[in-house]
Amino acid sequence: GAVVSQHPSRVICKSGTSVKIECRSLDFQATTMFWYRQFPKQSLMLMATSNEGSKATYEQGVEKDKFLINHASLTLSTLTVTSAHPEDSSFYICSARATGGKDQPQHFGDGTRLSIL
Amino acid sequence: QKEVEQNSGPLSVPEGAIASLNCTYSDRGSQSFFWYRQYSGKSPELIMSIYSNGDKEDGRFTAQLNKASQYVSLLIRDSQPSDSATYLCAVNMWTGANNLFFGTGTRLTVIP
Repeated sequence: GAVVSQHPSRVICKSGTSVKIECRSLDFQATTMFWYRQFPKQSLMLMATSNEGSKATYEQGVEKDKFLINHASLTLSTLTVTSAHPEDSSFYICSARATGGKDQPQHFGDGTRLSIL
Repeated sequence: QKEVEQNSGPLSVPEGAIASLNCTYSDRGSQSFFWYRQYSGKSPELIMSIYSNGDKEDGRFTAQLNKASQYVSLLIRDSQPSDSATYLCAVNMWTGANNLFFGTGTRLTVIP
């Protein structure tokens, strides 16, 4: 149980392209989903917290107009990297937390490796 | 002071030995604690969750929690080369934040 599907797993595209990443909880409902990025050999960095039906909460330094988050249902959240540039190249990982409060664990998707040329 | 601290390692143990991973946290009111394993180039995978003081065992893994000392650990018995990964300690702080606080991870290498 507690499977989170993230798609696509890898994206390679030209600078200026917008990229959409989907995160789905397959066998549970997720009131809250989280988006992280991770650079090589570094720790996870939380970008934003996404609550179903409301606006995402962004961490300090993360541009909300650059990283658009939509959490339209209890099983789907999307992250759109708008007008991506080479510095946006990174490993993006989503996680989902089941309904039941903040003591529930987060379950991670497999991540999306984004490379901007 | 970081909210969640772990030794970055690397920690090397021989195959079959016990690997001991440690984590301390700053918020005394924290209620839930998690250990994740992350292989290189992959996303984190939940191994254990623990909520009460004491030990919790699951197969070769034992999580230990001491809230008075603000300390949580993970023991891996009969370590295998496939256990070689980075282990992340995550704490749900009682600060009102909605997210987990992660340590920087301890890199474990099990030597065959």
